[in-house]
Amino acid sequence: EAQVTQNPRYLITVTGKKLTVTCSQNMNHEYMSWYRQDPGLGLRQIYYSMNVEVTDKGDVPEGYKVSRKEKRNFPLILESPSPNQTSLYFCASRGVSYEQYFGPGTRLTVT
Amino acid sequence: GENVEQHPSTLSVQEGDSAVIKCTYSDSASNYFPWYKQELGKRPQLIIDIRSNVGEKKDQRIAVTLNKTAKHFSLHITETQPEDSAVYFCAENNYGQNFVFGPGTRLSVLP
Repeated sequence: EAQVTQNPRYLITVTGKKLTVTCSQNMNHEYMSWYRQDPGLGLRQIYYSMNVEVTDKGDVPEGYKVSRKEKRNFPLILESPSPNQTSLYFCASRGVSYEQYFGPGTRLTVT
Repeated sequence: GENVEQHPSTLSVQEGDSAVIKCTYSDSASNYFPWYKQELGKRPQLIIDIRSNVGEKKDQRIAVTLNKTAKHFSLHITETQPEDSAVYFCAENNYGQNFVFGPGTRLSVLP
């Protein structure tokens, strides 16, 4: 089954404790992306990657890091999480048709 | 940076009536305009999209129109049903790079 998976689905952590949210897709898509979703603000792009070893900032990259060492995986790293990074995070991948496929989401709470 | 405005933010219609949601974008180089539906607690899913070389596209009860001169595009849902109740997001994209989303419209279809 073609899909995008994210782990963990829920995470509660404390300020400053480094964390990684994994994202994986099995559709051989070159393009992958991370978004955060906050009430009233829609989805805002954090980082995207056009291909392996190629990453670019989206609209809200501050406080986040990504890496793309292999085509299927695109982890999101929060080196020092802060409460304003409490949000719902979605990973997505896109094929040549431009259609984006979203993962199930990761709800992160930073206390 | 690019910006997408979306109106209205909430919309209530009677079952069987039509619903129209409008988005305005700022990047004249944008060439891809998708619409996503997000049901409560679920991931966004693409419902229809349009490219910049097309003025209108229909898929059963859903249609999207694009006015590149005025930089706006609209989602039209006819014969609305209760299962159409969800949050709808528009987005714009420039040659597959970063996606910019509107803030969303909460559609309620009243039986």
